[in-house]
Amino acid sequence: AQKVTQAQTEISVVEKEDVTLDCVYETRDTTYYLFWYKQPPSGELVFLIRRNSFDEQNEISGRYSWNFQKSTSSFNFTITASQVVDSAVYFCALSVPTGGFKTIFGAGTRLFVKA
Amino acid sequence: ETGVTQSPTHLIKTRGQQVTLRCSSQSGHNTVSWYQQALGQGPQFIFQYYREEENGRGNFPPRFSGLQFPNYSSELNVNALELDDSALYLCASSFQFPTVNTGELFFGEGSRLTVL
Repeated sequence: AQKVTQAQTEISVVEKEDVTLDCVYETRDTTYYLFWYKQPPSGELVFLIRRNSFDEQNEISGRYSWNFQKSTSSFNFTITASQVVDSAVYFCALSVPTGGFKTIFGAGTRLFVKA
Repeated sequence: ETGVTQSPTHLIKTRGQQVTLRCSSQSGHNTVSWYQQALGQGPQFIFQYYREEENGRGNFPPRFSGLQFPNYSSELNVNALELDDSALYLCASSFQFPTVNTGELFFGEGSRLTVL
C-alpha cells in the first residue's frame, strides 16, 4: 500500500523568509512518481512538479526547489523568499503505475505568509 | 486550450437523495479521475476512467459510480447520500498512453456538495 505523510499541518512565516514543507512517502513499488500540488483558496489544485523514482536530481524553479532523497523516502519542497501569494495549502502526492495509476495525496500543509 | 470545468459549483442535497456531478476534461486529455476532499483533508481517490471504462478505484462503496463519454467528459453519481458525503468533489484530467502514464493531474475547481 502507498502512503504519503505531511507532518506539518500549518506553517506561518513572514514575507521573505525561506520555508520548507516536508513530505515522507511509503511504497513497495520500484517505479513511482512524486508530485507537489498547490491549492489556493479557489479550490483548484495546481500541479507544481513531478519526479520519477529513478531521478534523484534536485530541481530548482525560480523561488521553488525540491529535494528528493530515496534513502529517507522524502521529497521536500522549499520556497525561498516567500511571498504573500504563496499562501495556500500544499499537497505532496504519490502515484504508482499499477491499479489504475491512482494518485495518493498527503493531508496537506497550510502555509500562511504574512506581509 | 480549455481547462477542466466542473458543474455545478455548489449544491445542497438531503440524506437519501442522489446527485450527479459533471466534468469536462482538458482538451487533448483522455483520462478522468475523481477525488473527494473533506474539509481540512487531502483529496481521496474515488476512481479513474480511461477509454470509457473504470480503470482503478479507491476505497469507496458501490453507491459511488461514474461514466466517461466518448468526448472524455465524465459524470460522478452518488446514490443514497449520507451526511459524510459532504465534501468538495474534484475532477482531474490527464493524458495516458496505453501502457504509460506520467501522472500529472489537471484539476477543475470542484463541486462543493452539502448533505443535510
